Amino acid sequence: SQTIHQWPATLVQPVGSPLSLECTVEGTSNPNLYWYRQAAGRGLQLLFYSVGIGQISSEVPQNLSASRPQDRQFILSSKKLLLSDSGFYLCAWRVKQGGSPLHFGNGTRLTVT
Amino acid sequence: GDSVTQMEGPVTLSEEAFLTINCTYTATGYPSLFWYVQYPGEGLQLLLKATKADDKGSNKGFEATYRKETTSFHLEKGSVQVSDSAVYFCARVSGNTPLVFGKGTRLSVIA
Repeated sequence: SQTIHQWPATLVQPVGSPLSLECTVEGTSNPNLYWYRQAAGRGLQLLFYSVGIGQISSEVPQNLSASRPQDRQFILSSKKLLLSDSGFYLCAWRVKQGGSPLHFGNGTRLTVT
Repeated sequence: GDSVTQMEGPVTLSEEAFLTINCTYTATGYPSLFWYVQYPGEGLQLLLKATKADDKGSNKGFEATYRKETTSFHLEKGSVQVSDSAVYFCARVSGNTPLVFGKGTRLSVIA
């Protein structure tokens, strides 16, 4: 069966520090991968998605970036965090079949202080 | 563009009450429809899905029917429990484009 791992679960970082969140998927190959952000009490904001290694689509211009160095690895990064980057970050995957559902990781709670 | 509209929350119900959370979607293409549930501090879990008109998705006592004529996919449960307290998201997708989510509806069930 397929599983998705996302870490760390919680993170407290000072303003201006770098960020690296990692997500890996097991049990499937060539998935579509996604990063979402959820501000407190708000809906989901799609940040990036990837249909293959090295292929990244950005939905929202900001100081975050994403990379996909391996087929089942998706990384969210920032060189310098802002207070507004605080939130709940969710990684997700889906198979490349039209209409297939997303499967989410457990999320990373990021607090920028 | 494609969109999903959910009823505004929060929704507060007593235990064993009937639940309806409304969801409507834009009808472009032939979307698949989903309901996700998010418990506090966790990621989203797929609750149920429907891939074509008149399909009924069901899971854990929740049901939703894909209504093409009204472009709706309302979530229902006959008797809610305190453990159903969570945020519920409706979503649609066509092909391999990213899913489009509603803004979520917070449900609180009190004993």
